[in-house]
Amino acid sequence: RKEVEQDPGPFNVPEGATVAFNCTYSNSASQSFFWYRQDCRKEPKLLMSVYSSGNEDGRFTAQLNRASQYISLLIRDSKLSDSATYLCVVREVSGTYKYIFGTGTRLKVLA
Amino acid sequence: NAGVTQTPKFRVLKTGQSMTLLCAQDMNHEYMYWYRQDPGMGLRLIHYSVGEGTTAKGEVPDGYNVSRLKKQNFLLGLESAAPSQTSVYFCASSYLVKRNQETQYFGPGTRLLVL
Repeated sequence: RKEVEQDPGPFNVPEGATVAFNCTYSNSASQSFFWYRQDCRKEPKLLMSVYSSGNEDGRFTAQLNRASQYISLLIRDSKLSDSATYLCVVREVSGTYKYIFGTGTRLKVLA
Repeated sequence: NAGVTQTPKFRVLKTGQSMTLLCAQDMNHEYMYWYRQDPGMGLRLIHYSVGEGTTAKGEVPDGYNVSRLKKQNFLLGLESAAPSQTSVYFCASSYLVKRNQETQYFGPGTRLLVL
């Protein structure tokens, strides 16, 4: 089983739609969770960190479910500019500096 | 403030050749990382460094060496390139690992083709 798993997609959604991605992780001791965005042939950039209480940033909402070991990303009112690959990232065991990346979920927002 | 820069941006090597990839950051970050990204594999950690003069192995270190002689620079070396090392290499840096300060800042990547 992969340490961090994501549905590769692509998710094709019309502009204005709401779309959600999930990511599961295998290590219950994982400490920190993130969503990164990667545009085609570009470097990843942090979209948002995911906190235990959940957090929201504009149209983006991230949730953490420790019991089921998954994190989610919800995008409301999708824009064409949201088209990208969304990477789930997990840092395991406190004190280490190794981040495990998922393979990414590809989103295409259609006009 | 250039952030994280990588040189070169693209390189073609023949099997057995050597090369060094340079990563530089001007944000005074303690931590630096080298990743490779391959289709369907996600980013995989090659080596990382938690400070000047220190390095550690990541998930896929074989065939690579690194050095961090200065805090702002992290070098990745390929002593004898193999076709399996064809990939996109990303460097990243971050502050000390503590809550709310774990953002990794990535360089633009180096595309390496080994023939």
